[in-house]
Amino acid sequence: GENVEQHPSTLSVQEGDSAVIKCTYSDSASNYFPWYKQELGKRPQLIIDIRSNVGEKKDQRIAVTLNKTAKHFSLHITETQPEDSAVYFCAASRGGGGNKLTFGTGTQLKVEL
Amino acid sequence: GAVVSQHPSRVICKSGTSVKIECRSLDFQATTMFWYRQFPKQSLMLMATSNEGSKATYEQGVEKDKFLINHASLTLSTLTVTSAHPEDSSFYICSAPTTKSGGVYNEQFFGPGTRLTVL
Repeated sequence: GENVEQHPSTLSVQEGDSAVIKCTYSDSASNYFPWYKQELGKRPQLIIDIRSNVGEKKDQRIAVTLNKTAKHFSLHITETQPEDSAVYFCAASRGGGGNKLTFGTGTQLKVEL
Repeated sequence: GAVVSQHPSRVICKSGTSVKIECRSLDFQATTMFWYRQFPKQSLMLMATSNEGSKATYEQGVEKDKFLINHASLTLSTLTVTSAHPEDSSFYICSAPTTKSGGVYNEQFFGPGTRLTVL
């Protein structure tokens, strides 16, 4: 089955700096790669996703890149703000966004003032 | 649109009792729903895929006789934790796929989760 690895497990940045989180996946048939932000005790919230026919996607301060050959994808957050502090999970799935997700291990992001 | 609810949000029970958790898609139909479990400071792990009108598909290592799943209708899936024990204490989250209004592609919509504590 799919295996998703995520690094780093914790990340501390100064407000205004950029944050990068990286994930690798094992199943070459995976074609959907979402990123979720989860606050303590809450549901995961989709912040951005990318499908395998695209190499990069951007939404304001957030961007995701995908390298299918290397089977890795990354989340980039620019101009970080304290409210970006949360746990971030990457995930991978076959069959687009309608199929089961395999999650990475999570990254605790802390944005310090 | 695309709202998924769960009930209850929090439950505390005694060891040996059974607990039922409901997952509902409020404004769309879901032939498939997914159940995840999340232990403190860990990731979400898929437990099973709930299929309307047929048996659930369980992930390796998940006891199907302990975690009973029933997809009763196109908007409701239930997870029953039978004979719960303290090690079953966890955050249980369901999700259902659909497209956003005006969207083309599916994405997963998560319920708010159920915090189960077994004493």
